[in-house]
Amino acid sequence: EVRLVESGGGLVQPGGSLRLSCEASGFSFGAHWMTWVRQTPRKGLEWVANINQYGSEKYYVDSVKGRFTISRDDAKNLVFLQMNSLSAEDSGLYFCARVEFCSSGNCYSEAFDYWGLGTQVTVSS
Amino acid sequence: SYDLNQPPSVSVTPGEPASITCRENIIGRKTVHWYQHRPGHAPVLVISYDSDRPSGIPERFSGSNSGNTATLTISRVEAGDEADYYCQVWDLDSDHWVFGGGTKLTVL
Repeated sequence: EVRLVESGGGLVQPGGSLRLSCEASGFSFGAHWMTWVRQTPRKGLEWVANINQYGSEKYYVDSVKGRFTISRDDAKNLVFLQMNSLSAEDSGLYFCARVEFCSSGNCYSEAFDYWGLGTQVTVSS
Repeated sequence: SYDLNQPPSVSVTPGEPASITCRENIIGRKTVHWYQHRPGHAPVLVISYDSDRPSGIPERFSGSNSGNTATLTISRVEAGDEADYYCQVWDLDSDHWVFGGGTKLTVL
């Protein structure tokens, strides 16, 4: 059974940092791109970042470029989201999701086929 | 930026069909996925690649994509279908994955 469990969320002051983790199980983690998506009242679901199966390609939504970093540890089946310089606009429920397997390795058009329950991030003074 | 436009809300009575649209210029040339999100639950992929139904998704769910409109259709809505539904594409020009604004499906 595919399982994704996010952790690391919490309350942080503006300008602060958080590191989110996502523990994956039930599938060949190293074969899949992974993604972070957040849900906010204003935008609904918003894609945040993707990482390819090797960790060599990383993509970010413009609003987090230079502040957030996605990474992975295939030995531990973990994907991370380091979030710096946080602002109130970053508040939301952060989901980790698996990108469907693609044989070509270039998984741009593939769906996000399994999701976790999310971890809440609140940025407030 | 590539914006996907969805109606904020759709209401339907049980047993009736529901259609949720996702509009953007030439979306028919892109691959569209649809997700169901009920509060407190993990989002669920209900339609992939415009019209494919993942394993475990009821046959009542179907999708189409042509021209400037992609559509998710639920043929006979049930109370358990009440949720937010989002369309999603990958935009080649920006290397961004884009979600629509979401549609709240209310079952009356």
